[in-house]
Amino acid sequence: QVQLVQSGGEVKRPGASVKVSCKASGYSFSSYGISWVRQAPGQGLEWMGWISPYNGNTKYPQKLQGRATMTTDTSTTTAYMELRTLRSDDTALYYCVRVVGQGSFDIWGQGTMVTVSS
Amino acid sequence: SYVLTQPPSVSVAPGQTARITCGGDNIGSKTVHWYQQKPGQAPVLVVYDDSDRPSGIPERFSGSNTGNPAILTISRVEAGDEADYYCQVWDSSSDLYVFGAGTKVTVL
Repeated sequence: QVQLVQSGGEVKRPGASVKVSCKASGYSFSSYGISWVRQAPGQGLEWMGWISPYNGNTKYPQKLQGRATMTTDTSTTTAYMELRTLRSDDTALYYCVRVVGQGSFDIWGQGTMVTVSS
Repeated sequence: SYVLTQPPSVSVAPGQTARITCGGDNIGSKTVHWYQQKPGQAPVLVVYDDSDRPSGIPERFSGSNTGNPAILTISRVEAGDEADYYCQVWDSSSDLYVFGAGTKVTVL
């Protein structure tokens, strides 16, 4: 079946970097974009960016420009999201999602908890 | 940047109809998607492209976007529908995706 399986939770110090992986299976990986969405504890959903596994094109919101980098490895059908210079307000559950059609997110990973604490 | 406005909460009795609004500038010109998120779970797409349902989503969930606001309607509400609901669009002018702040639906 179509699924996205993410790497396990991480605990990082402020100023460090984190890289989360998202293994796709059950569909043609290069045919659909991947976005990353995060959710701080008790808060709503925040879109973090998008990548095309087909050509590597990316787009990010202004807020994360320069701190977030999304990449894909088509040989392993895996997407990655790296976030640098971590702050306490980056503590959140991070989801990878498949983007289809007119921009809906039809498949979600199980989420990866990233905790930033000194 | 584009902003989507949702009410923080909606309360509804079992068997009644819940309507969740999603407002935005000229939202009728955009394509709206809706997600349900239950506690401790990842969000689930319940309506896409304004009014279509993914397979497995009950017909009780319907969407419309004929003006401002867009609306997610849950008919014959059940206790299991208690969740947070988020609307989402792709804003073509900025080429970015946007979520509403979410609406908590409480079944009385």
